[in-house]
Amino acid sequence: DTGVSQNPRHKITKRGQNVTFRCDPISEHNRLYWYRQTLGQGPEFLTYFQNEAQLEKSRLLSDRFSAERPKGSFSTLEIQRTEQGDSAMYLCASSRSGFEQYFGPGTRLTVT
Amino acid sequence: QKEVEQDPGPLSVPEGAIVSLNCTYSNSAFQYFMWYRQYSRKGPELLMYTYSSGNKEDGRFTAQVDKSSKYISLFIRDSQPSDSATYLCAMSVDDKIIFGKGTRLHILP
Repeated sequence: DTGVSQNPRHKITKRGQNVTFRCDPISEHNRLYWYRQTLGQGPEFLTYFQNEAQLEKSRLLSDRFSAERPKGSFSTLEIQRTEQGDSAMYLCASSRSGFEQYFGPGTRLTVT
Repeated sequence: QKEVEQDPGPLSVPEGAIVSLNCTYSNSAFQYFMWYRQYSRKGPELLMYTYSSGNKEDGRFTAQVDKSSKYISLFIRDSQPSDSATYLCAMSVDDKIIFGKGTRLHILP
């Protein structure tokens, strides 16, 4: 059990560019979650997968955001046409039970 | 009113003191109650979770849930400088977790 991993750890991009983040969950966990965290706030739920099915999306997830989890293994989160307001830490978590979630180290996105 | 309210602090206490961290919530449907610890620029780490009202102890940490008052607490005994971090309360319903803002805790040597 190597824990949840996320890549890249840091991403700096210019406004208007597309970015993609990857999350590798704990191998036996069938649930995978994406959160966004800004300074001084707790993580905010974005979306989650059970196996390869995307079961819920937050209203925070605008149409510029898309997430996939092909074959129920790793997941990617893509942001198109980035805006300065997208600057945040993007966290991935995985779980077997739903409530007991284990987080990765996060990807810190800076949009200039 | 937010679903989960947590005082952001910062809270500074001397080493060895007992720390009390608290959250209130409004949604009666919450089923599980968790505490996460987050060090600067790291992901949150699950410390403890409870399901029902009452206390749960793990080493120096005690989690307390009072569903009738919609109030949860985390106590840290014999606090250490390494406990300095942000502590996030979190509550779960239907496989989704709602987090508080987090309380920044500083343990002064």
